[in-house]
Amino acid sequence: GQQLNQSPQSMFIQEGEDVSMNCTSSSIFNTWLWYKQDPGEGPVLLIALYKAGELTSNGRLTAQFGITRKDSFLNISASIPSDVGIYFCAGRRGGATNKLIFGTGTLLAVQP
Amino acid sequence: EAQVTQNPRYLITVTGKKLTVTCSQNMNHEYMSWYRQDPGLGLRQIYYSMNVEVTDKGDVPEGYKVSRKEKRNFPLILESPSPNQTSLYFCASSRKFEETQYFGPGTRLLVL
Repeated sequence: GQQLNQSPQSMFIQEGEDVSMNCTSSSIFNTWLWYKQDPGEGPVLLIALYKAGELTSNGRLTAQFGITRKDSFLNISASIPSDVGIYFCAGRRGGATNKLIFGTGTLLAVQP
Repeated sequence: EAQVTQNPRYLITVTGKKLTVTCSQNMNHEYMSWYRQDPGLGLRQIYYSMNVEVTDKGDVPEGYKVSRKEKRNFPLILESPSPNQTSLYFCASSRKFEETQYFGPGTRLLVL
């Protein structure tokens, strides 16, 4: 099955730094989602994007739906230790199912 | 509290011994899905269900079965588990066509 290319695979940063990660696909998606997974937990939705070019913020998080509809970006500003976790992008083509295609994840470690 | 529950949370078993992982949601969602998460591969969909008595294969269905006799429950069945099914399993649910999938806490399975 298809997976999305997500990069970087991992990031080790200092508290206060900004973070950027992205997700690309060879196919067009109608919806892009960003999830965060804390250790030992299931993924939790952070941001949902529905239109090409859309830029949406959730606190210190900002995500963009790429204009080509084949990519998406997530930025975290002024990182804090609780930002630690695995971040997943997910795309949905729409149609009759609600099937999500997930990226391979970005592991974020924040050093206080 | 709206939630998705999975049982058991941890399971160690031996090759060939049938097992069932239960999933239940209390949000009256029509859509439910099972994923497995493996290092470097992100989440991959095993099976999904659009509604009661409606199920379909995801990307990696081999070795798994599901059933959807009631709206709230969506058990995952491994008739004859093998070591390559050692993984972290997540159940998720959402309203039909609705983008937010709510994930359960995960079931960590080890097949010896």
